[in-house]
Amino acid sequence: QQQVKQSPQSLIVQKGGISIINCAYENTAFDYFPWYQQFPGKGPALLIAIRPDVSEKKEGRFTISFNKSAKQFSLHIMDSQPGDSATYFCAASNGGTASKLTFGTGTRLQVTL
Amino acid sequence: GAGVSQSPSNKVTEKGKDVELRCDPISGHTALYWYRQSLGQGLEFLIYFQGNSAPDKSGLPSDRFSAERTGGSVSTLTIQRTQQEDSAVYLCASSPLPGSSYEQYFGPGTRLTVT
Repeated sequence: QQQVKQSPQSLIVQKGGISIINCAYENTAFDYFPWYQQFPGKGPALLIAIRPDVSEKKEGRFTISFNKSAKQFSLHIMDSQPGDSATYFCAASNGGTASKLTFGTGTRLQVTL
Repeated sequence: GAGVSQSPSNKVTEKGKDVELRCDPISGHTALYWYRQSLGQGLEFLIYFQGNSAPDKSGLPSDRFSAERTGGSVSTLTIQRTQQEDSAVYLCASSPLPGSSYEQYFGPGTRLTVT
């Protein structure tokens, strides 16, 4: 049972453009929604995260938008750069003391010159 | 400081053999997680350790999979009688404390290929 659905599977954006990746979840007990960035041969690294008590969080060029009623959240990368080319995973957990993450299937982003 | 380390980085084994994958978490981190990343798939939770508590094994796909954590630090994931569908990247993560307030730091993974 896939509890976090992610789209698109791959994305090509020109340098300077906006990259948008979407996720939808089913489990209403989820209360923590991180995005991870993964480069080839490396483990995922936390990029930005949000809790459902806010609708948006911005850190530099990265913004999470969160829609609790629709059970959807998205990552926006402004002014996309070639160095942003990586695979991005959304995830969710229901906190507490066992914060195992449920991941989406990933989006491979390529930023072209 | 040093991050999460995993060994070996790559492992090729024949179907039916047993394998052991090792994870060294960040020093002082009490929570340790194992995930599996299959080609084209997201990361799949396998098992979680927190201190001396009983591990959460709810993600282990079969009884061929087991894991232990010795002395609250190093962890070993063992796969017995490996099958081709076990081929994947196995990722270990640790966090300072349990709970979603604490970032999970991932190691580089062990790429397992079962031939």
